[in-house]
Amino acid sequence: KQEVTQIPAALSVPEGENLVLNCSFTDSAIYNLQWFRQDPGKGLTSLLLIQSSQREQTSGRLNASLDKSSGRSTLYIAASQPGDSATYLCAVRRNSGYALNFGKGTSLLVTP
Amino acid sequence: EAGVAQSPRYKIIEKRQSVAFWCNPISGHATLYWYQQILGQGPKLLIQFQNNGVVDDSQLPKDRFSAERLKGVDSTLKIQPAKLEDSAVYLCASSRGQFYGYTFGSGTRLTVV
Repeated sequence: KQEVTQIPAALSVPEGENLVLNCSFTDSAIYNLQWFRQDPGKGLTSLLLIQSSQREQTSGRLNASLDKSSGRSTLYIAASQPGDSATYLCAVRRNSGYALNFGKGTSLLVTP
Repeated sequence: EAGVAQSPRYKIIEKRQSVAFWCNPISGHATLYWYQQILGQGPKLLIQFQNNGVVDDSQLPKDRFSAERLKGVDSTLKIQPAKLEDSAVYLCASSRGQFYGYTFGSGTRLTVV
């Protein structure tokens, strides 16, 4: 069974800092990995999708990397802003026929 | 394109009552998912549909939960009877296919009292 772990569970940083969120998974035979953002009381917004053949994806100030062999992914946020405050969720798809399996998320607070 | 629509947004019921949630996926998305998210946890898959067929319902508590996908489009998730531990956000998501990512709806927040 695929286990997805996110560290840290919570993080507080001052505005302007660069930060890294970590995601690890126990079964390296994944199809793809997706990072989501969740604001309080809201649904999930997709940030980045990395296919198993890719090493990283970038969107604006966000960069996600994938190391399948070590079972790890990182989400790098550059020049953090208070508007980045949210919970960030990592999810992996085991293979093409299966649904995403989520971690518990990292709660990020960026203070002005 | 329009997003995934869910209703209602909020629902409060007493234990042992029944409740139903509705989801309309993005047009053309063959795969539809229902997830349960308990406060402080990541979403947990309840059921996955491919068109109108069930792909995975291994984590659906079938003694009280049921789901259907009508004509491969809209879907309803029902709980009968509800328990206190069913209090959660129920999220619907759809996907064009396995190569593509998910799009989630805003969710339905259920409180069972």
